Amino acid sequence: QKEVEQDPGPLSVPEGAIVSLNCTYSNSAFQYFMWYRQYSRKGPELLMYTYSSGNKEDGRFTAQVDKSSKYISLFIRDSQPSDSATYLCAMSANSGYSTLTFGKGTMLLVSP
Amino acid sequence: DVKVTQSSRYLVKRTGEKVFLECVQDMDHENMFWYRQDPGLGLRLIYFSYDVKMKEKGDIPEGYSVSREKKERFSLILESASTNQTSMYLCASSPHTAGTGDSSTDTQYFGPGTRLTVL
Repeated sequence: QKEVEQDPGPLSVPEGAIVSLNCTYSNSAFQYFMWYRQYSRKGPELLMYTYSSGNKEDGRFTAQVDKSSKYISLFIRDSQPSDSATYLCAMSANSGYSTLTFGKGTMLLVSP
Repeated sequence: DVKVTQSSRYLVKRTGEKVFLECVQDMDHENMFWYRQDPGLGLRLIYFSYDVKMKEKGDIPEGYSVSREKKERFSLILESASTNQTSMYLCASSPHTAGTGDSSTDTQYFGPGTRLTVL
């Protein structure tokens, strides 16, 4: 079983749709959870960060962590064509000194 | 803003050449990382460094070496490039923290990437 599982997609939605992106993980020690967005031919950029369980909201984006189920989600409301990118989940057990474990990324395509 | 820069966006080299990829960060971060990213395989960690002169092997160090002579600079070296090293190479940096729960200190910041083609 891989440490982090993420559906590669592509996920195609019309503009304005609500998008749900998910990752499952097996290591119960993970407590720092991140979502990165990567546009084509660019480096990943941090989109959302959550420490431990719970929800975090930032504009149209909401990140959820359910540690009991080892499941994290990213919701995008009112999706825009500019949201078309690959979304990578990442997580670690310890900050700072720790390496990140990444999912393989989900490609999202939002059509106008 | 944190800025991580990489020396080249695109690079074409020949099999057997020695290749240097340079990464510089301007935020005084202690940690620096080198990844490669391939379709279907995601991001794979090659090497990382927690401090000057220090290096640790990641998941796929074979065929690579690194150098960190200054805190802000982390170099990836392909001793003898091979076609299976054609890939997107990404550098990242992060600060040492004690788990503040603050995204500005607990995450890695990436450079724009170098797309290397080995012919």
